[in-house]
Amino acid sequence: AQSVTQPDIHITVSEGASLELRCNYSYGATPYLFWYVQSPGQGLQLLLKYFSGDTLVQGIKGFEAEFKRSQSSFNLRKPSVHWSDAAEYFCAVGANFGNEKLTFGTGTRLTIIP
Amino acid sequence: GAVVSQHPSRVICKSGTSVKIECRSLDFQATTMFWYRQFPKQSLMLMATSNEGSKATYEQGVEKDKFLINHASLTLSTLTVTSAHPEDSSFYICSARDARQNTEAFFGQGTRLTVV
Repeated sequence: AQSVTQPDIHITVSEGASLELRCNYSYGATPYLFWYVQSPGQGLQLLLKYFSGDTLVQGIKGFEAEFKRSQSSFNLRKPSVHWSDAAEYFCAVGANFGNEKLTFGTGTRLTIIP
Repeated sequence: GAVVSQHPSRVICKSGTSVKIECRSLDFQATTMFWYRQFPKQSLMLMATSNEGSKATYEQGVEKDKFLINHASLTLSTLTVTSAHPEDSSFYICSARDARQNTEAFFGQGTRLTVV
């Protein structure tokens, strides 16, 4: 069965500092990997996704993620965070392009301090 | 991106009553909708998949008589939690996609259900 692990429940970063959110997955076939962000009271917004090809994926809001098959990881990064990045971040793995039937990690809450 | 609206965003109900949650695609036709549930400090778990005009397909361990899903139109799916109990208190979120266009699924903002 597929699974996703986000080992960091809560991360606090200073505004302007770099960010890396960890995600490890377990999946029997080629994974379709996603990162979502959820602000309070808002739905899940897709940041980026990986299906194949270049293992470094660029997303919206200046985020990127790198797929490392050997480590079964898909870590999310941003070189300089902004206060508006404070939110809950979810990594997910799916079976196809349409991100149907996703398996989510438990999420990482990001707090930004001035 | 496309907009999916979920209503209500929060609801409190008494134990034994039923609660209906709506998921609407506002600017596209949703051939397929998905319902997820999130327990505190846990992952979002897929409950069921519904295709317009068909019966929903429930994931293992999800009681279909407890969680009634209707997807009667291309823009609306509803989840009814019947005879709710405190253990049903959770965060419920839907997503919707147009499989004919092979689009990604877009998420609603979720519903926080509290059963007292």
